[in-house]
Amino acid sequence: GQNIDQPTEMTATEGAIVQINCTYQTSGFNGLFWYQQHAGEAPTFLSYNVLDGLEEKGRFSSFLSRSKGYSYLLLKELQMKDSASYLCAVSPADSSYKLIFGSGTRLLVRP
Amino acid sequence: DSGVTQTPKHLITATGQRVTLRCSPRSGDLSVYWYQQSLDQGLQFLIQYYNGEERAKGNILERFSAQQFPDLHSELNLSSLELGDSALYFCASSGLPEDTEAFFGQGTRLTVV
Repeated sequence: GQNIDQPTEMTATEGAIVQINCTYQTSGFNGLFWYQQHAGEAPTFLSYNVLDGLEEKGRFSSFLSRSKGYSYLLLKELQMKDSASYLCAVSPADSSYKLIFGSGTRLLVRP
Repeated sequence: DSGVTQTPKHLITATGQRVTLRCSPRSGDLSVYWYQQSLDQGLQFLIQYYNGEERAKGNILERFSAQQFPDLHSELNLSSLELGDSALYFCASSGLPEDTEAFFGQGTRLTVV
């Protein structure tokens, strides 16, 4: 079956670093995405990994290990506006963009 | 602003009714995707169209149908509505099916009473 797991909630302090983990089991793999979603708003694209390793984009980095079915999103220098849900999503091999989303991790950034 | 437009933003309707949600993709994008997000649930893929043709199908109920028109806008039709259909319905678009980034519209919040 298809399964994506990520923690339900996390709390961190402004200025700190937080790592949000995601593990997946899918029928094939064609890439892993991270999206940010503020409550009641549209998801916005953060990152895409298809090869193993770390992709860095400003304060956000995403890591992928295909052999372990594991990814993480690293947020540095946390800001209050980073309080949001972070969605891990996998594109299975049978369709390039039929994304399977995890339930999301709600991140609360405290002063 | 992602460039994807969804209308209406909010919709309240009664059980048993039928509604149509509309999506205009970003200019030049050929692919349109529909997702459902229920309260405290992840985004569930419903269906994808590419240049007017159905390309991929998720767990879309038989009561739901969609189409993409020659001008590339798409409509999602929900019929015989039930209370459990209350959710946010998102449309996303991308240029090619292989594009790594899709852009989401602001969603239509459907409330069935």
